[in-house]
Amino acid sequence: GIQVEQSPPDLILQEGANSTLRCNFSDSVNNLQWFHQNPWGQLINLFYIPSGTKQNGRLSATTVATERYSLLYISSSQTTDSGVYFCAVNTGTASKLTFGTGTRLQVTL
Amino acid sequence: DAGVTQSPTHLIKTRGQQVTLRCSPKSGHDTVSWYQQALGQGPQFIFQYYEEEERQRGNFPDRFSGHQFPNYSSELNVNALLLGDSALYLCASSWGRGLYGYTFGSGTRLTVV
Repeated sequence: GIQVEQSPPDLILQEGANSTLRCNFSDSVNNLQWFHQNPWGQLINLFYIPSGTKQNGRLSATTVATERYSLLYISSSQTTDSGVYFCAVNTGTASKLTFGTGTRLQVTL
Repeated sequence: DAGVTQSPTHLIKTRGQQVTLRCSPKSGHDTVSWYQQALGQGPQFIFQYYEEEERQRGNFPDRFSGHQFPNYSSELNVNALLLGDSALYLCASSWGRGLYGYTFGSGTRLTVV
């Protein structure tokens, strides 16, 4: 099956700093999503982004499908950005999601 | 508009027992998927229900079974619980044969002792 790897595994930032999270996948995908999991376990969809670039406030994402990677940018980080960020993909006609290994982000004051 | 609701939020069971977890999908969604998330790992796909049938299944033993009702709500059943079944169980609903609008519930945290 498809392999999805994320880097870095852990990231500690001071409030106001910017960061880039990376997701590499081993095969072509139909769709790619970025999720934020808060400390209570809730997974929130940030972007559907099979290709191209999208922006939503301080967050933006870029997927280069031909090179099999996606990037999530967080600008001017806030403590509420803390949590685990996952990318997840689905392939072929299947709608099941295969999740990456996650990046744990901690934003400090 | 209520999102995806799961019950119970927390559960403690003894090894060998059986457990049933419940999920109500977001309004307008007809597909329910279940995921298991062990501590420190990403969610793993268990199975997906659409039109009251299991449509896709991940690499989980037959001890894991499910059901979808006519109102699109779903149950996940786990028999003969093992200590390794301790995890956060997440339900997600979607539409368009599961391809669109993926929305997760807050999960049920199951502890097997």
